Amino acid sequence: QKEVEQNSGPLSVPEGAIASLNCTYSDRGSQSFFWYRQYSGKSPELIMSIYSNGDKEDGRFTAQLNKASQYVSLLIRDSQPSDSATYLCAVNPAGAGSYQLTFGKGTKLSVIP
Amino acid sequence: GAVVSQHPSWVICKSGTSVKIECRSLDFQATTMFWYRQFPKQSLMLMATSNEGSKATYEQGVEKDKFLINHASLTLSTLTVTSAHPEDSSFYICSARDTAGWFFGPGTRLTVL
Repeated sequence: QKEVEQNSGPLSVPEGAIASLNCTYSDRGSQSFFWYRQYSGKSPELIMSIYSNGDKEDGRFTAQLNKASQYVSLLIRDSQPSDSATYLCAVNPAGAGSYQLTFGKGTKLSVIP
Repeated sequence: GAVVSQHPSWVICKSGTSVKIECRSLDFQATTMFWYRQFPKQSLMLMATSNEGSKATYEQGVEKDKFLINHASLTLSTLTVTSAHPEDSSFYICSARDTAGWFFGPGTRLTVL
């Protein structure tokens, strides 16, 4: 069974600090990795995608992928109270024609003013 | 990013009635759309994959006769909850994929009295 694991949290960080969110996945052949942010009562919003090993930066967000360790992370620099949300890690499993995403259960982040 | 809309955003209905939820991709064509359900404080659960012009593929445990899916065009998929009961009350979210990734509609909150 293809699984995506996340620490459910809550993860609390002070405003201005770096928040580090982690995710591991079981399907070694996975090729596409995504981070979504979900505010309470709202649907997920895509914030980062990453496809190759290494780091990818977009503003205050950095996604890191290590396929050998089957590990993907999201760093949020200069955390703001508005970043308080649940962050979902999602993986596109391997396989020709696979259009599905497998989601982790999410990590709840609280940024304390 | 791509825009996915849903209608209605919320609906309250009596037990035994049917409810139709629409999902539209506004600026791209989606041959495949996905329907998720999310209960409070739980992660997204994939219900079914909607394929344009063919039958939907349902996940294990999801009753296909209760959750009718029609993907009549490249921009529209509908989910009909038939003979709704209070246990069907949930947040229903559709998703569609474009070249950048998977994008979610704003969700439909269904309350069955």
